[in-house]
Amino acid sequence: SQKIEQNSEALNIQEGKTATLTCNYTNYSPAYLQWYRQDPGRGPVFLLLIRENEKEKRKERLKVTFDTTLKQSLFHITASQPADSATYLCALLSGGYQKVTFGTGTKLQVIP
Amino acid sequence: NAGVTQTPKFRVLKTGQSMTLLCAQDMNHEYMYWYRQDPGMGLRLIHYSVGEGTTAKGEVPDGYNVSRLKKQNFLLGLESAAPSQTSVYFCASSYLLGAVTEAFFGQGTRLTVV
Repeated sequence: SQKIEQNSEALNIQEGKTATLTCNYTNYSPAYLQWYRQDPGRGPVFLLLIRENEKEKRKERLKVTFDTTLKQSLFHITASQPADSATYLCALLSGGYQKVTFGTGTKLQVIP
Repeated sequence: NAGVTQTPKFRVLKTGQSMTLLCAQDMNHEYMYWYRQDPGMGLRLIHYSVGEGTTAKGEVPDGYNVSRLKKQNFLLGLESAAPSQTSVYFCASSYLLGAVTEAFFGQGTRLTVV
């Protein structure tokens, strides 16, 4: 069956360090992968999209990699700040471009 | 520019009652989605629509119905609410289907069925 796995345990890191979150998937062949941020009591907010033929994408302090061989995406936040504390969701396209499927998310806590 | 607006924000229903959740978007997006979010389960797609007058089933459609009579509105109905439908419901819209472009989400509706 198809699965998208994100580390369900919270990730705690010190302010200023680089946070790395992982998204692993099985039985998918996604052409696109997205990362979203979700704050408590709010809807997800789009951060980055990466295509299968792109190995890496950057936006300010954010970097996403996409390895279709390993079936894995890594999401990095450099020089992390307490304001980066949130839950981060990865999402894959599936079903012939018919729907977006989300992982369960990883909660990031940046400690001052 | 309001984006995606959901009403209501909170609701408590008794088992067997019915209700409709309303989603409105002002971005002229073709595609709209309803998700539910439960602890440890992530966001799961209930139904989606690729345009006015069209709807399709997602991952967990049972117990829900939808309608898209106007392009800007996507309604989610619960005909006979069950405690298993206690969840946070999110509506989203996008310009192009799926992950090709970003999805814009509403603020969510927290529904409790007792």
